[in-house]
Amino acid sequence: EPEVTQTPSHQVTQMGQEVILRCVPISNHLYFYWYRQILGQKVEFLVSFYNNEISEKSEIFDDQFSVERPDGSNFTLKIRSTKLEDSAMYFCASSEVQGGEQYFGPGTRLTVT
Amino acid sequence: AQSVTQPDIHITVSEGASLELRCNYSYGATPYLFWYVQSPGQGLQLLLKYFSGDTLVQGIKGFEAEFKRSQSSFNLRKPSVHWSDAAEYFCAVGAKAGTALIFGKGTTLSVSS
Repeated sequence: EPEVTQTPSHQVTQMGQEVILRCVPISNHLYFYWYRQILGQKVEFLVSFYNNEISEKSEIFDDQFSVERPDGSNFTLKIRSTKLEDSAMYFCASSEVQGGEQYFGPGTRLTVT
Repeated sequence: AQSVTQPDIHITVSEGASLELRCNYSYGATPYLFWYVQSPGQGLQLLLKYFSGDTLVQGIKGFEAEFKRSQSSFNLRKPSVHWSDAAEYFCAVGAKAGTALIFGKGTTLSVSS
């Protein structure tokens, strides 16, 4: 069964460093998403992406964040200068069409020290 | 603004007993409603969804949920719980298909033998 994959599973970085989280969505999906879950809190939407541009973003997704689909398979989330409060589990998701359910990856746990 | 409330943070049921997890939402129009399950160290797996039509929806693993517009609820049920159902359950709402999902804080289900 096709699935969304994410790498790395765990990333430790120092405050102020740049990180790139990688996702491979399901191959025939066209809509891509990033969510995050701070420990003990709810899953929060960050951004959605379609046709090589951001279609929706939340207040959390400020200038420190960017997304990119550098090739036909990868979808990345970059945090330019990490802060302690960026420590969270980051989930990538994809959907086949607008209206389809979103399929989530296993997540990348980001720890900022 | 859209919101999702899961009033129960933690529920323990005996194996073989029935289960109901509560979800209330706040949204002005007919929402798209989802239940996801997250096992430890895993991503979010879709259990079931409601877009329109029959208000009682069947999902995977023997789960069902009923949409009650008058109560703004979408409660998840299972007639007989198995030990493998122990996990965290998230209710989510979407404004329209393919857009950001708003999640509840989740309910942790423990199953006792």
